[in-house]
Amino acid sequence: DVKVTQSSRYLVKRTGEKVFLECVQDMDHENMFWYRQDPGLGLRLIYFSYDVKMKEKGDIPEGYSVSREKKERFSLILESASTNQTSMYLCASISLAGGPWEQFFGPGTRLTVL
Amino acid sequence: DAKTTQPPSMDCAEGRAANLPCNHSTISGNEYVYWYRQIHSQGPQYIIHGLKNNETNEMASLIITEDRKSSTLILPHATLRDTAVYYCIVSPYTGRRALTFGSGTRLQVQP
Repeated sequence: DVKVTQSSRYLVKRTGEKVFLECVQDMDHENMFWYRQDPGLGLRLIYFSYDVKMKEKGDIPEGYSVSREKKERFSLILESASTNQTSMYLCASISLAGGPWEQFFGPGTRLTVL
Repeated sequence: DAKTTQPPSMDCAEGRAANLPCNHSTISGNEYVYWYRQIHSQGPQYIIHGLKNNETNEMASLIITEDRKSSTLILPHATLRDTAVYYCIVSPYTGRRALTFGSGTRLQVQP
């Protein structure tokens, strides 16, 4: 069974802390994505990566950075967590090979910043 | 990506077919129609996609109108486990791009 796993389902951090969210996929996918999901706003893209050490900003990159040192792992970093970063964070991956072109999502990490 | 319009919510009786509509009147020729769903507290799950022709897989059927301005996702025999938010997304091939999720349709399957 193909899998995208995220390091934590629930996380509570304090304002100003550095936060690492990790995502691992076992499908040898090239592309990986980080989204956040908030009520009424849907899913919004933070960053994505199409290769090791490559990254591109999504729609809302401010306050976040990412790291992709290995193909299977894509990390989201909150350099100094703030309360407005309280959200559900979703990681996804997709293969560049032909069909069925589905993005596989992880279970999500619900982050609360106090 | 073309914009999509979906009803905010729908109900369906268990065992009956659930027909979820989606309007995408500004769809371009190279854009596919994708459907995903999100069960509460889980990540979105791919259901099906199509370009012009109707498609069927083990989960659902996708009916796309001839002018491609609208589509319908059909769950032939809805179960309680199909209760979820269903997202219709129009996009070119998504290999190198992220998907734009709107608000979706919240489907409640009633016992």
